Amino acid sequence: GEDVEQSLFLSVREGDSSVINCTYTDSSSTYLYWYKQEPGAGLQLLTYIFSNMDMKQDQRLTVLLNKKDKHLSLRIADTQTGDSAIYFCAETARGGYQKVTFGTGTKLQVIP
Amino acid sequence: DSGVTQTPKHLITATGQRVTLRCSPRSGDLSVYWYQQSLDQGLQFLIQYYNGEERAKGNILERFSAQQFPDLHSELNLSSLELGDSALYFCASRGGDNSPLHFGNGTRLTVT
Repeated sequence: GEDVEQSLFLSVREGDSSVINCTYTDSSSTYLYWYKQEPGAGLQLLTYIFSNMDMKQDQRLTVLLNKKDKHLSLRIADTQTGDSAIYFCAETARGGYQKVTFGTGTKLQVIP
Repeated sequence: DSGVTQTPKHLITATGQRVTLRCSPRSGDLSVYWYQQSLDQGLQFLIQYYNGEERAKGNILERFSAQQFPDLHSELNLSSLELGDSALYFCASRGGDNSPLHFGNGTRLTVT
């Protein structure tokens, strides 16, 4: 079955870059998403990438996809204290309103 | 604002009771997903509906049930509640087949 894994915790200093990693097992994964969850809030969609892309950049966010290794990463440039949150990656296969599988979430702590 | 509305925001009830959580999807979204997030745990997929019909089931207990109504809002019914059912319950809706999920702010259920 589908499985999505992430490391549980990441600590970085304000102003540094953060890299959050994710691996998935489903080779039919077509769409991969990154969500951010702040304390007490719902999940906010940050960005997503199609499996035929290697990279996507959106302001301070860069998503890299290595489809061969089934590895996804989210880089946050110039990390700010407001970036402290839990980050979830998620994947889904194409067609038919497929199930969306989420990783365990990575808690990012930004040290001032 | 994701456009997905969940009520109530907080719910406190006793063991053995029954509660109903409500979700209104984004305008035009036909698909609704329910997830459970327990303390220090990731998102557990419960159930998915598409245009009123059940589409997929995840780790949903037999004590739990859901439905999607003709106006596309959805309700999650939790009965014979146990202490371990205390969690955040999220609803998400999805527009097109391959579009991302958009989450509500969740209902925090506390069973005492």
